[in-house]
Amino acid sequence: AQRVTQPEKLLSVFKGAPVELKCNYSYSGSPELFWYVQYSRQRLQLLLRHISRESIKGFTADLNKGETSFHLKKPFAQEEDSAMYYCALSGQVGTDKLIFGTGTRLQVFP
Amino acid sequence: DTAVSQTPKYLVTQMGNDKSIKCEQNLGHDTMYWYKQDSKKFLKIMFSYNNKELIINETVPNRFSPKSPDKAHLNLHINSLELGDSAVYFCASSQGAGWQPQHFGDGTRLSIL
Repeated sequence: AQRVTQPEKLLSVFKGAPVELKCNYSYSGSPELFWYVQYSRQRLQLLLRHISRESIKGFTADLNKGETSFHLKKPFAQEEDSAMYYCALSGQVGTDKLIFGTGTRLQVFP
Repeated sequence: DTAVSQTPKYLVTQMGNDKSIKCEQNLGHDTMYWYKQDSKKFLKIMFSYNNKELIINETVPNRFSPKSPDKAHLNLHINSLELGDSAVYFCASSQGAGWQPQHFGDGTRLSIL
């Protein structure tokens, strides 16, 4: 069964510290993986997807098929990074749905 | 120029009532979705429409009925509201199937008294 696990509900760091938000997935085929972010009082928005291999707002995520992980990393956290982060997975079939993890709240203290 | 817009933003109503939430997207996308986010912030898909055709219908009570009059609109009607329906409902759209990036609305916070 498709599943996305984000083990941390809350991650608190100080500004300038490295950040790693963990995401593990379970999927039998070739998954599409995403990170979505929801800033306070704002809509959910796409942060990055593994296929594009981009770095957005200093965040990167590498798909590790061996460990079935897609952890989100940033070397130096900023206060404006405080938000709710969701890892999500989809298959590549037309009827596949986006499965979200339970989310991790990142708090960056000054 | 909001891409995905939902109305209303807040909906407070009593148990047993019937209510609707509207969603419109101006991105030209052909696929639209409804998600439910519960009090623990868990986000789960409810329905998906592609070109006005229902393609995903999760295990949702049949009190919930989506309607897509055209590609740009996907409304959600809920009959006989229950306390457990209290949540934030998000509409989203994408071009193509679920693995394409999805654009979300601001959400509708539904509170049942």
